[in-house]
Amino acid sequence: DAGITQSPRHKVTETGTPVTLRCHQTENHRYMYWYRQDPGHGLRLIHYSYGVKDTDKGEVSDGYSVSRSKTEDFLLTLESATSSQTSVYFCAISESQGVPGYGYTFGSGTRLTVV
Amino acid sequence: AQSVTQLDSQVPVFEEAPVELRCNYSSSVSVYLFWYVQYPNQGLQLLLKYLSGSTLVESINGFEAEFNKSQTSFHLRKPSVHISDTAEYFCAVSDGPGSGGYQKVTFGIGTKLQVIP
Repeated sequence: DAGITQSPRHKVTETGTPVTLRCHQTENHRYMYWYRQDPGHGLRLIHYSYGVKDTDKGEVSDGYSVSRSKTEDFLLTLESATSSQTSVYFCAISESQGVPGYGYTFGSGTRLTVV
Repeated sequence: AQSVTQLDSQVPVFEEAPVELRCNYSSSVSVYLFWYVQYPNQGLQLLLKYLSGSTLVESINGFEAEFNKSQTSFHLRKPSVHISDTAEYFCAVSDGPGSGGYQKVTFGIGTKLQVIP
């Protein structure tokens, strides 16, 4: 999607290895989110950020960490990948600043397979 | 706590027939409601949203959704579907910004719309 890119688009990794996914935005939005999408579960929030160095946990944060050192970049790290983390990961951004309802803009996703 | 229920995981429909994708929500406060569409191998795109005002909202490609507060529903409808409407549709609810302005959004599990030629 315009203004938000995810890398890599696909990755296969081995159990126990660290993995970092990158989300880059050019919209200067304050809020950034990482979701995972799994069949039967829809989208579940992993972590989110409300500013540089300001992050918080979502509903499925165990095994994941994030960092945001610049407004435009939000990194998701799997410290030691497990097969249960095989999923499609989506980054999203929003410009909500106390005024709700703007909706999210999503990236195209990263398909991660842990073998 | 807010939650979303999409009652149908898959909906097959013939081309040019009408369709309704059902969504019910629960929330203890005022809500903002969204429908997103996901085409194969793509991210989600915002289709339409209800924030306030008229309970009937429309998208640019012919979909509409009606906010029904008494039935806590936000069903998505289209009077005549096209092959290109084949996609997965997600209903989402937000009760507005929490601490820090973070807008918590809860997504349903999705409904796959399959349009049959």
